[in-house]
Amino acid sequence: DAGVIQSPRHEVTEMGQEVTLRCKPISGHNSLFWYRQTMMRGLELLIYFNNNVPIDDSGMPEDRFSAKMPNASFSTLKIQPSEPRDSAVYFCASSLPALRQGRKDTQYFGPGTRLTVL
Amino acid sequence: GEDVEQSLFLSVREGDSSVINCTYTDSSSTYLYWYKQEPGAGLQLLTYIFSNMDMKQDQRLTVLLNKKDKHLSLRIADTQTGDSAIYFCAGTLYNTDKLIFGTGTRLQVFP
Repeated sequence: DAGVIQSPRHEVTEMGQEVTLRCKPISGHNSLFWYRQTMMRGLELLIYFNNNVPIDDSGMPEDRFSAKMPNASFSTLKIQPSEPRDSAVYFCASSLPALRQGRKDTQYFGPGTRLTVL
Repeated sequence: GEDVEQSLFLSVREGDSSVINCTYTDSSSTYLYWYKQEPGAGLQLLTYIFSNMDMKQDQRLTVLLNKKDKHLSLRIADTQTGDSAIYFCAGTLYNTDKLIFGTGTRLQVFP
């Protein structure tokens, strides 16, 4: 398997522009997580999905952020409008169903998208 | 909620052992994890320990868990320059799928 795939790997945009980050989880994984990593705040969970349904979005910073998972193999994280403080590395991770995995919560991370908002 | 803390930096000489420590507040995690992040990459699962175990050894890695003190440690034997990375401990928030990560410890290995 190719692992979790994220695109783009790098994104530079100007304040006010819309940004869309994309993620393809590992085939067969039913949980998908979006994280943000910054020097100041470390690794923060933004939102996660089980079976394409958002379960917990309490980490989403504000209404400018939205995430969707239209099917089991694709998810997007959108920021509109973007601000300089959104600059960070955004990671997507996926995990197997608990029973099959035997060890619940083992998450496999993508390589991340480095976002710079000027 | 869960709070997970780690020291920020550790510097060791190549060939020595490294010990990275982690403390947590929520004792309900079924599993506790160690992840490694190399520069410019995502997090990679290194090892994990079931909460009813005290120790787990996996080649050069030894995980120790002290549930009473809520303390987790990762020992890397014969540390190599390729071990230089950021190491995160993580635990599950009770009754959720959420992993709570520590602040990360940057391990630097010098020759």
